Amino acid sequence: EVQLVQSGVEVKKPGESLKISCKGSGYTFTRYWIGWVRQMPGKGLEWMGIIYPGDSDTRYSPSFQGQVTISADKSLSTAYLQWNSLKASDTAMYYCARDYGWRGFDSWGQGTLVTVSS
Amino acid sequence: EIVLTQFPGTLSLSPGERATLSCRASQTISTSYLAWYQQKPGRAPRLLIYGASSRATGIPDRFSGSGSGTDFTLTISGLEPEDFAVYYCQQYGNSPGTFGQGTKVEIK
Repeated sequence: EVQLVQSGVEVKKPGESLKISCKGSGYTFTRYWIGWVRQMPGKGLEWMGIIYPGDSDTRYSPSFQGQVTISADKSLSTAYLQWNSLKASDTAMYYCARDYGWRGFDSWGQGTLVTVSS
Repeated sequence: EIVLTQFPGTLSLSPGERATLSCRASQTISTSYLAWYQQKPGRAPRLLIYGASSRATGIPDRFSGSGSGTDFTLTISGLEPEDFAVYYCQQYGNSPGTFGQGTKVEIK
C-alpha cells in the first residue's frame, strides 16, 4: 500500500526557519515525483512545486519560487519543504502527494498544519 | 500558467440528484491531463478522475468525467450523503500544475 506520512503540527514565530517532511513507503520512492500543495485557511488548493527524488530535479510554481525550497533524501525516502524566514502569511495546511504523471496526484499525505504567529 | 475556472462556486442539491460540475481552462490542456479531486472537511484531497475521464482505483461508477481541450465536466449521477464535499479540478499537462478554485456541493 502506498503511504505518505507527513511530519506533525508546527507553531512558529515570524522570521523563524522550518523544514517539514513527507516519508513515502509501499512503492519505489525514486521513481515518482512528489508534489507539495498549500491550502490556506478556508481556501483552495495551490500547486507549489514538485521534485523527482531519483535525481532531485525540482520545478516550482512562479508564485513559490524563491519563497520555499523543496528537497529530497532518497536514502530516507523522504521529501522536504522548507522556509528560511517564515511569515504570518505562510500559515496553512501543507500536503505532499505522489505525482503519478499521467494519473495526477494519486496518493496524498495527511497534511502538516503550519501556524506562524507572534 | 494555465488558469482553471470552476463553476458554479456552490451547488445545492438533494441526495439522489445529479450533479454537474464544470472546469474551464485558459488554454488547451495537453493530452487531457485533467484530474478531479474530492475534499471533505479536515481531510486530504482524494483523486477521483484522471486523464479527464478515467476513474481512479476504488471510485464508484456514479462519478464520471468528460471533456477535452479547454472544457471539462465532472458528473455525479446520483448524490450519496458522502458525496457532499468540495471538488477541485487540476491540470497537470503543463508546468506549473494548477488547480481550480473549487466547487462546493452542499445539501439543499
